[in-house]
Amino acid sequence: AQTVTQSQPEMSVQEAETVTLSCTYDTSESNYYLFWYKQPPSRQMILVIRQEAYKQQNATENRFSVNFQKAAKSFSLKISDSQLGDTAMYFCAFIEGAQKLVFGQGTRLTINP
Amino acid sequence: EPEVTQTPSHQVTQMGQEVILRCVPISNHLYFYWYRQILGQKVEFLVSFYNNEISEKSEIFDDQFSVERPDGSNFTLKIRSTKLEDSAMYFCASREDGNYGYTFGSGTRLTVV
Repeated sequence: AQTVTQSQPEMSVQEAETVTLSCTYDTSESNYYLFWYKQPPSRQMILVIRQEAYKQQNATENRFSVNFQKAAKSFSLKISDSQLGDTAMYFCAFIEGAQKLVFGQGTRLTINP
Repeated sequence: EPEVTQTPSHQVTQMGQEVILRCVPISNHLYFYWYRQILGQKVEFLVSFYNNEISEKSEIFDDQFSVERPDGSNFTLKIRSTKLEDSAMYFCASREDGNYGYTFGSGTRLTVV
């Protein structure tokens, strides 16, 4: 079974700092997709960024970027110039083939003013 | 931007009662999902639905649960006899064929008392 592990239950940084959230996963497949979802206090699930495993280039969306290390099965999220609105739970998630999305346990990120 | 719509946003029900959670997926999406999140825990897969039938379900999705797409637009999750432990946030999601970017609804908070 696929597993996704987020080893940091909570993180806290000052506004404007850069923060990196860690994620590792386990799979025997070579083609799959990885995602980071943000869940603010409203509890809505918002897609932050996605990465296709066959692409070597790391995905970037404005202040959000990933460090995808396929051999190490690592997929970390970097948030640059963090803002108060980035405060949320962040979930790493994985899918292969047409199967279900599997989530990690989440990291609670707090951005302090 | 197209949205997945879930109703109601919050439902309180007595233990043993039946509840129906409703979702309207994005119109050109073909894959539909229900996930749940017990407060403070990770997001768990319940069921996937494609071509008018269940394609995969988790062990959580027992005989008390059922899904339906009654009219080609709505996608419902029914819990026949609710238990206290069914209290959770329930998320509907959908995606296009060939695109693994799920779109989640804003969730239904179910409280069983």
